Amino acid sequence: AQSVTQLDSQVPVFEEAPVELRCNYSSSVSVYLFWYVQYPNQGLQLLLKYLSGSTLVKGINGFEAEFNKSQTSFHLRKPSVHISDTAEYFCAVTSQGGSEKLVFGKGTKLTVNP
Amino acid sequence: ETGVTQTPRHLVMGMTNKKSLKCEQHLGHNAMYWYKQSAKKPLELMFVYSLEERVENNSVPSRFSPECPNSSHLFLHLHTLQPEDSALYLCASSQYGQGNYGYTFGSGTRLTVV
Repeated sequence: AQSVTQLDSQVPVFEEAPVELRCNYSSSVSVYLFWYVQYPNQGLQLLLKYLSGSTLVKGINGFEAEFNKSQTSFHLRKPSVHISDTAEYFCAVTSQGGSEKLVFGKGTKLTVNP
Repeated sequence: ETGVTQTPRHLVMGMTNKKSLKCEQHLGHNAMYWYKQSAKKPLELMFVYSLEERVENNSVPSRFSPECPNSSHLFLHLHTLQPEDSALYLCASSQYGQGNYGYTFGSGTRLTVV
């Protein structure tokens, strides 16, 4: 079974500052990793995903994430955030070739202040 | 229409009412999911349908009754709900056997039980 830990429940930052949202996972098999974003009163939208190959993955809205197998981490980063990035961010994992159930972390609420 | 569509977007119902939530996907996927998202709680997977058969029911109370008449439609029938059932209900779909694509979510139905 897989599990996901998002270490920060809330992250406040100022506009144009860099941000990192942390995600660690646990799995006994190889995994696929995802980041989703949820704006207020909306569903979840896929930001980016890691399947294989390059450990640095670029997604929409200027976000990127780095897969680190040795540290079982998949942290999300953006070099300069905007007010419009205020949202909740969810890290998720699924096993390769397994049950395909997506296991979500508890989410990190990113608040970008002017 | 494209993607995953949920109706209604908002629903207020009394504890003795019966209502249904509807989800429709236009992606040709063969698996569909119901999630519950309550304030300050992680995403809760309620039901999973794969190839129109229910493959998972995570100890959900019987006042929630899912129905999947075909691979494009998913319903959640509600009756005699409790105030603690107030939440955002999210529908998602995926292509079973292609876990690397993740899930596509609808915008959700905001349910308030009074």
